[in-house]
Order: sequence, then structure tokens, then C-alpha cells
Amino acid sequence: AQSVTQPDIHITVSEGASLELRCNYSYGATPYLFWYVQSPGQGLQLLLKYFSGDTLVQGIKGFEAEFKRSQSSFNLRKPSVHWSDAAEYFCAVGARTGTYKYIFGTGTRLKVLA
Amino acid sequence: DVKVTQSSRYLVKRTGEKVFLECVQDMDHENMFWYRQDPGLGLRLIYFSYDVKMKEKGDIPEGYSVSREKKERFSLILESASTNQTSMYLCASSIQGWDPSTNEKLFFGSGTQLSVL
Repeated sequence: AQSVTQPDIHITVSEGASLELRCNYSYGATPYLFWYVQSPGQGLQLLLKYFSGDTLVQGIKGFEAEFKRSQSSFNLRKPSVHWSDAAEYFCAVGARTGTYKYIFGTGTRLKVLA
Repeated sequence: DVKVTQSSRYLVKRTGEKVFLECVQDMDHENMFWYRQDPGLGLRLIYFSYDVKMKEKGDIPEGYSVSREKKERFSLILESASTNQTSMYLCASSIQGWDPSTNEKLFFGSGTQLSVL
């Protein structure tokens, strides 16, 4: 069965510092991978996704993620964090097991210090 | 702009009541999903539907049922609400297909915060 692990429940960084949020997945076939962000009081918004091709994908708001098949990882990065990036971040696997199904991780809550 | 609309933002119900959560999408999407979101547990899939009248159980279907009589509407039903079903419920929809050209992704509603007393 497919699963997603986000090992960090909370992360705190200073504004301007770099950021990396970890995501590991378990899936038997080629994964389809997503990162979503949920800002306080807001709905979930897609940051970026990986379907195939270039393993480094660019998303909105200056985020990028790298798919590493050998490590079963899809870590999210940003070179310089802004205070408005404070939010909860969810990694998800799109699993085509006959139907199209998304499985989410438990989320990482990011706090940004001024 | 694409839209997934959940009928209620906040809902308070009593234990044992039958509860209906409604979700409507205006994008002609094939797939629709119900998740619940709890602190520390992330989003957990309750049920999803890939076509009218077609449904599949997700990871936590116990205590819930769903109905999809029309393509645009997907209802979540709590047959007899219990306090452990107090949660944020999120509806989502997506185009059916993993081809990047279809812009496959989940579109979420704004959620329904359900409190069962």
C-alpha cells in the first residue's frame, strides 16, 4: 500500500534562511508527487508536482522540489524564506491503483521568525 | 475560476444525529474526494468517487457513507454522528488522468468544521 511520511511535524526558521521540508513515500510503481500548502484559515493550494521527466521541479512562490527515486524522497526547498511562508505543508502521492487516489502525509508546520 | 463549494463552513450537531455534508464542483471533474483533517494526522481519505454512482472506500470509511447521484455533487453522510467525528472535512475534485497536459491536481473546497456534541 502506498504511504507518505513527513518526519518533521514542526520546523522553525528565521526569515531569509533556507528551507528544506522532507517527504518520503512508499509506492510500488512510478509515483506522482505533489506538495500542497495550507496557510492559516485558507484552503489547500498546489505548490508543485512531479509526474515525469526532469527530477527537479519548480513551483509557485519560489519553491522547488527534487524527486530522488533511490531515496524514495521528494523534498521541498526554498533558498530564502519569507514571513508569509508560515503555513502547513503537505506532501502527497498520487496513486493509480485502478482509480486515481491521493494519499497525504501528516504535514509539516512551518514557523518563520522575524 | 474553478470552484469546489462546501455547503457549510461550520456545523454543530448532536451525537446520534444523521449529518449530511454537501460538496459541489463546477469543473466537470470525474473524481471527487472526501478527506478529514485532524491536527498531527494530516489529511485522511474517507471516500472517493471516480464517476457518477461509483465510489471507493478510502483509508477511514467506518461510520461514513457517500452519495454521488450527479457528476457535480458528492455528499458525505454520517449515519449516526459521534464525538470522534468532530473534525475539519475537506472536499476535493480532480480531472481524471495523470497526463501532465490535463493539469491533474486536486482542487479543494474551503472545508467544513464539524463539531459533534
